[in-house]
Amino acid sequence: QQPVQSPQAVILREGEDAVINCSSSKALYSVHWYRQKHGEAPVFLMILLKGGEQKGHEKISASFNEKKQQSSLYLTASQLSYSGTYFCGTPLIQGAQKLVFGQGTRLTINP
Amino acid sequence: DAGITQSPRHKVTETGTPVTLRCHQTENHRYMYWYRQDPGHGLRLIHYSYGVKDTDKGEVSDGYSVSRSKTEDFLLTLESATSSQTSVYFCAISGKGLFYEQYFGPGTRLTVT
Repeated sequence: QQPVQSPQAVILREGEDAVINCSSSKALYSVHWYRQKHGEAPVFLMILLKGGEQKGHEKISASFNEKKQQSSLYLTASQLSYSGTYFCGTPLIQGAQKLVFGQGTRLTINP
Repeated sequence: DAGITQSPRHKVTETGTPVTLRCHQTENHRYMYWYRQDPGHGLRLIHYSYGVKDTDKGEVSDGYSVSRSKTEDFLLTLESATSSQTSVYFCAISGKGLFYEQYFGPGTRLTVT
């Protein structure tokens, strides 16, 4: 029931673009995205709601395809500060507060 | 910062020893969660609370118990620690944000020898 993220890891040079995908075998009601820097706690980035409404981070965008049961996070013109592990989380039941998280995607940005 | 602390931040204990981790919040969020994080597994929910004295199990609850006697405190207890419970434990809170986003504490690194 855990959402599946891809890729598991990606290495980029500063200024390049990245896409991180989050797929579920079950219906998606909403998708939360978090970023965790090494040795730190996860930090909320944004939430995607049914109907495509996006709330959250101003420099990172995302999409939510209900039919494909998938969400994608887009990081354009990546900066060194974007490095970290990105997690998607989804509620198993619509309206539920508890989330199940994907295994994470490690993003490394090199100068 | 969402005003969430965890104690202790680091702990080494022996197999079979009881351990209690504490999560404290100052933001009056209704929901509190305990996760464990292990390489390759992401964040896995152990237990969560939806109010004082109201708790429910998560996906990896075996070997763990929780209690919430006050809004601000959520305790996680390992009754008899095992080496498989060596992990980083994160507490999170939610309920006041517009979309119930979760705010995480700094984490507790627990080593069971």
